[in-house]
Amino acid sequence: GAVVSQHPSRVICKSGTSVKIECRSLDFQATTMFWYRQFPKQSLMLMATSNEGSKATYEQGVEKDKFLINHASLTLSTLTVTSAHPEDSSFYICSASGLAGATYEQYFGPGTRLTVT
Amino acid sequence: DAKTTQPPSMDCAEGRAANLPCNHSTISGNEYVYWYRQIHSQGPQYIIHGLKNNETNEMASLIITEDRKSSTLILPHATLRDTAVYYCIVKGTGNQFYFGTGTSLTVIP
Repeated sequence: GAVVSQHPSRVICKSGTSVKIECRSLDFQATTMFWYRQFPKQSLMLMATSNEGSKATYEQGVEKDKFLINHASLTLSTLTVTSAHPEDSSFYICSASGLAGATYEQYFGPGTRLTVT
Repeated sequence: DAKTTQPPSMDCAEGRAANLPCNHSTISGNEYVYWYRQIHSQGPQYIIHGLKNNETNEMASLIITEDRKSSTLILPHATLRDTAVYYCIVKGTGNQFYFGTGTSLTVIP
């Protein structure tokens, strides 16, 4: 399957600072990328859908001014957690989608563990 | 998108087949069933997907009932490395995946 990478894999930041997480599709062009958040012992929660060259669509309850998403190219999307607080500590996972033959595929990155102190 | 219901946990003996059920009684005609799994602290891994026919690949088999209201993921010979949370997802016309709570499968030596 296709490869999606995330950077960094782990990050620790102080409360009030901003953190940027990168998501790259390494071997295919992803017209759409998705960002998820996962708290311990819980399922993945979709935060937003990002289409290349347009504004992201956020799920209900997700603050767009706090979680800034940029999808400047078909292989890169970034999520910036602004003014991070301890409650933003979570596992952030991106996925990239594209057509594989006649069917739709979605590939997930390995995740980024964010800890806000 | 249709919601799915899965048992929260299951055990399976190593080397035996693991059969993971999923109910999706509100699925509509153009919605696919996808299965992913997540090993602790990693991103989800694609397993298999199907529309109405049974599907098989190198990882698993997917059996979809004729009325499409439920499906079963079959891992034919479970190994310890198959211990993970397995998610059944119904994808509609949109591209979003909404994850349910999944089934935590433990393969026992």
